[in-house]
Amino acid sequence: QQQVKQSPQSLIVQKGGISIINCAYENTAFDYFPWYQQFPGKGPALLIAIRPDVSEKKEGRFTISFNKSAKQFSLHIMDSQPGDSATYFCAAKPPGGTSYGKLTFGQGTILTVHP
Amino acid sequence: DGGITQSPKYLFRKEGQNVTLSCEQNLNHDAMYWYRQDPGQGLRLIYYSQIVNDFQKGDIAEGYSVSREKKESFPLTVTSAQKNPTAFYLCASSMMHSGTKNIQYFGAGTRLSVL
Repeated sequence: QQQVKQSPQSLIVQKGGISIINCAYENTAFDYFPWYQQFPGKGPALLIAIRPDVSEKKEGRFTISFNKSAKQFSLHIMDSQPGDSATYFCAAKPPGGTSYGKLTFGQGTILTVHP
Repeated sequence: DGGITQSPKYLFRKEGQNVTLSCEQNLNHDAMYWYRQDPGQGLRLIYYSQIVNDFQKGDIAEGYSVSREKKESFPLTVTSAQKNPTAFYLCASSMMHSGTKNIQYFGAGTRLSVL
């Protein structure tokens, strides 16, 4: 119930292409879905996030698509650049109480953008 | 600069030895977290704390211990009971107030290896 399943495990895209990473969850009580970006040897940093009452959120080249009925959400990176090469994690947060702020992370996707 | 400081960056543990990883934040965040990162397994929660002098076990707490004597500090001890401690350890913090974006901010990590 607490798992978040992420795919693919790795992704290779040519510069200018679209990168798509998918996540699926089981717990319908999750109320916040962030994506984190991590460069080698660094800690993850928040990239973009969405709440389940919204179907899409766009920030620059990054878009989250959210399908509440299918319990799936995805990250789209438009016009992918070599500088986007990193590991991407989706995550989900349960509502308040003792679990407040606690995130369940997907397994991560290693994105490589070739020039 | 506000942020989360983890030290040391690299740490080596001998058999039967306890080691302590430091995490300090000056973001005035109430909640702090420790994650373990292994290749292909994403981030797994070890312990988290929502308030000083209180903390809860995460998904993989066995072989680890924490303390939260100050709001700013949340050290993690990897005990000799943790038989496979080699991993990248990440500390994070977040606000606890309602209405926040629930963003977790991460430190740069500590890479622990066994000698």
